[in-house]
This record gives sequence, structure tokens and C-alpha cells, in this order.
Amino acid sequence: SQQGEEDPQALSIQEGENATMNCSYKTSINNLQWYRQNSGRGLVHLILIRSNEREKHSGRLRVTLDTSKKSSSLLITASRAADTASYFCATLRNSGNTPLVFGKGTRLSVIA
Amino acid sequence: EPEVTQTPSHQVTQMGQEVILRCVPISNHLYFYWYRQILGQKVEFLVSFYNNEISEKSEIFDDQFSVERPDGSNFTLKIRSTKLEDSAMYFCATGGNAEAFFGQGTRLTVV
Repeated sequence: SQQGEEDPQALSIQEGENATMNCSYKTSINNLQWYRQNSGRGLVHLILIRSNEREKHSGRLRVTLDTSKKSSSLLITASRAADTASYFCATLRNSGNTPLVFGKGTRLSVIA
Repeated sequence: EPEVTQTPSHQVTQMGQEVILRCVPISNHLYFYWYRQILGQKVEFLVSFYNNEISEKSEIFDDQFSVERPDGSNFTLKIRSTKLEDSAMYFCATGGNAEAFFGQGTRLTVV
């Protein structure tokens, strides 16, 4: 498998429920980032968690990072129909100019 | 809030033609990137650019592709002799110190 693999590939939930998406990676990283993409649109940066951090919150988003397991999770609480999008994790190997490596994404559908 | 701007938003071109995709980065950013996303697939790194030269490129970024900063503000991706498989969303990103800001993308359709 490749760096930055999300699971599940697709997730469908009811509005108000929580959505959890997972990401696994292979190499050591400087940080891991989560992005959101509405269908056919650009990438919106959601949250960045550094390799020395274990958990981070931003509004309804909660990200965890377990570097021993090389995995991260994104939790969206109290989901809304507007949260419907694809969510990607992206890892950065080193600081500075190294490129982000994206996973294939999780397609989240929130049903009103 | 500063943002990365890409033009055009959508370009249709004939196979074999050359296209130039344009990006206006956030003004104080030093690192520039191009990524590609074929429909339904993952976002793939193409090239990074720093200090007016390519700093890293992927296997995808072959001789068909080139990048430049023609006037100190725009950042362009040129694709020569386009092929059907070049159809994709192309994203410009700028940044530094481990965070990248993405443009809305250019959807390239090669027919």
C-alpha cells in the first residue's frame, strides 16, 4: 500500500452523527495534514498535527496521531449535510520544501 | 484572507496542443508546487519550485512538462503536446515551513 491510505473509502452517516476517518502511512513524518475537497473543487486545509503532538482540536474536528502505529484519525462531531465531501490525509516527510503525499481519500456523505 | 488563484478554471484543448496553466501565489510565499488529480483518484505531486528553480519532481513530471515564474508573481505549468491521459485537475500550492495553501484548481480536458 502507499503512503497516506485512508479508510474507509466511503462513509455514509445521518446528520448529527459523528464521522471517523482513519489514515495510515509508512515512512516517518514531520507532520500530517487533513484536507477537504468538495466535488470537483479545490483542496481546503483543515488541520495540521505535528509528529510530536498526539491530539488536536479545531471546532468540530478532532485529529489524533499515533506515530508508533503510523496512523491518524479525523473525527467530525455532530455532522452536517454541508460536511459532505472527500477528506484526504497528507503527510510531510521533512520540514521545508518536501512535497505532501496524499492518500486516496474518504468520501463522506451526510444525509439530512 | 490571502489565497492562491489559478486560471483558467477550466480548459479544453485538442490532443497534441500545448497548454499553460497559471497560478498567482500568496505574495510572501517562497515555495511553489504543482499537483495533479485524475478524476476519482488521489492527488499526485508533480513538481516543487524554490528560488527560481525546480527543487524536486516526480516521475510524472517528464519532458512534456515545464514550470517557470515568468514575471516574479505568476507561476506557470506548461504541458506540451497534450495527451488524453493528461486530463485532470491541476492544483497549484504555495507555502513553506510545512503548510501548503492550494488554489481551486484548473480542470484540463484533452479531447
